[in-house]
Amino acid sequence: KAGVTQTPRYLIKTRGQQVTLSCSPISGHRSVSWYQQTPGQGLQFLFEYFSETQRNKGNFPGRFSGRQFSNSRSEMNVSTLELGDSALYLCASSSSGSGSYEQYFGPGTRLTVT
Amino acid sequence: SQKIEQNSEALNIQEGKTATLTCNYTNYSPAYLQWYRQDPGRGPVFLLLIRENEKEKRKERLKVTFDTTLKQSLFHITASQPADSATYLCALDEGTGRRALTFGSGTRLQVQP
Repeated sequence: KAGVTQTPRYLIKTRGQQVTLSCSPISGHRSVSWYQQTPGQGLQFLFEYFSETQRNKGNFPGRFSGRQFSNSRSEMNVSTLELGDSALYLCASSSSGSGSYEQYFGPGTRLTVT
Repeated sequence: SQKIEQNSEALNIQEGKTATLTCNYTNYSPAYLQWYRQDPGRGPVFLLLIRENEKEKRKERLKVTFDTTLKQSLFHITASQPADSATYLCALDEGTGRRALTFGSGTRLQVQP
């Protein structure tokens, strides 16, 4: 099976712009979670989608949003970018079966805000 | 407040020795604890999952223990190799069924040949 893919891999944006990141989960996985990783804060949970519904949300401002499509692919959007949004954004997919709690991460999108 | 602590300093060991990494947590009641490996510039890779009612789990050269009384997990790599050099992250799952892991900051392991 192909792994989790994320596009683009690298992105440079200017403060105030918005950005959309994309994630394709492992085939058959219906849960997609997003994380932000920075040197200072580590890996922090953003939100999780399951069957096109947001099931859980982390402690991030409303500028961070996401959605999931019927084929389980997911996008996250950050509006009005700030310098502090520079980070590695990771997407992870997981089987929806009971007991299958391990997550499979993509390679991430490195976002730089200037 | 909730906190997960891993050794912030790098762990340097000689090839062939056993590496032991620690994960301590406070104000959590995790149903599951997971360990991941992360190499620079890449996403974390799942290694092992242990449930709250399990004391120990093994997979090849890896062993994880989980003590809910001490609120601690230990992660062991036996017969370590230079290829084991990476950052190792512990992650807690409170078992709600929602895939929202809370990660520790990670411990960087360096295995010297």
